Amino acid sequence: DAGVTQSPTHLIKTRGQQVTLRCSPKSGHDTVSWYQQALGQGPQFIFQYYEEEERQRGNFPDRFSGHQFPNYSSELNVNALLLGDSALYLCASSLVQGRGYEQYFGPGTRLTVT
Amino acid sequence: SQQGEEDPQALSIQEGENATMNCSYKTSINNLQWYRQNSGRGLVHLILIRSNEREKHSGRLRVTLDTSKKSSSLLITASRAADTASYFCATSADSNYQLIWGAGTKLIIKP
Repeated sequence: DAGVTQSPTHLIKTRGQQVTLRCSPKSGHDTVSWYQQALGQGPQFIFQYYEEEERQRGNFPDRFSGHQFPNYSSELNVNALLLGDSALYLCASSLVQGRGYEQYFGPGTRLTVT
Repeated sequence: SQQGEEDPQALSIQEGENATMNCSYKTSINNLQWYRQNSGRGLVHLILIRSNEREKHSGRLRVTLDTSKKSSSLLITASRAADTASYFCATSADSNYQLIWGAGTKLIIKP
């Protein structure tokens, strides 16, 4: 049973560019959440997708957008990259509407903005 | 913003000793979860304790929850080198879907 997968593993972008990160949830999971984790910090919630809609959003600007596909996989898009967007981006999947249930995390995508 | 605060920020102990980490939070919760993260990789769920529970065990892990003090502790008994990692608490409230995380405790187990 495959766990949560994310691609790519590492990414280097230039300030002002756009980036798309991808996530496939654990088999059977229907809810995907995205987090940003800066070095030495805990994860910060970006948003959660369920039934192909953004169900809740954290305190992130509109430059951060996402999508969930019918097969429950998800994308995170970040436009107009800033140096401060450099971080580990984590995708997590869960079951049962994702309210307070344990989440299964992928290995993350390390984004470096230069 | 982060709700949880772990204490201490870093902990270094000898293999075989017990490690205790604490987490405090600010608002009412539905449950509190502990996760482990190795070297900046993905997080692994360790244990979940609901707001109506006071203590929970899983293998070498023991978690306590005191909702009156808005705090939780994670005890790892008989530590091993493989326990070296960062440990995070995350809280979930009834009113929303997100998990809110602390900054983590970095645990180093010396052989």
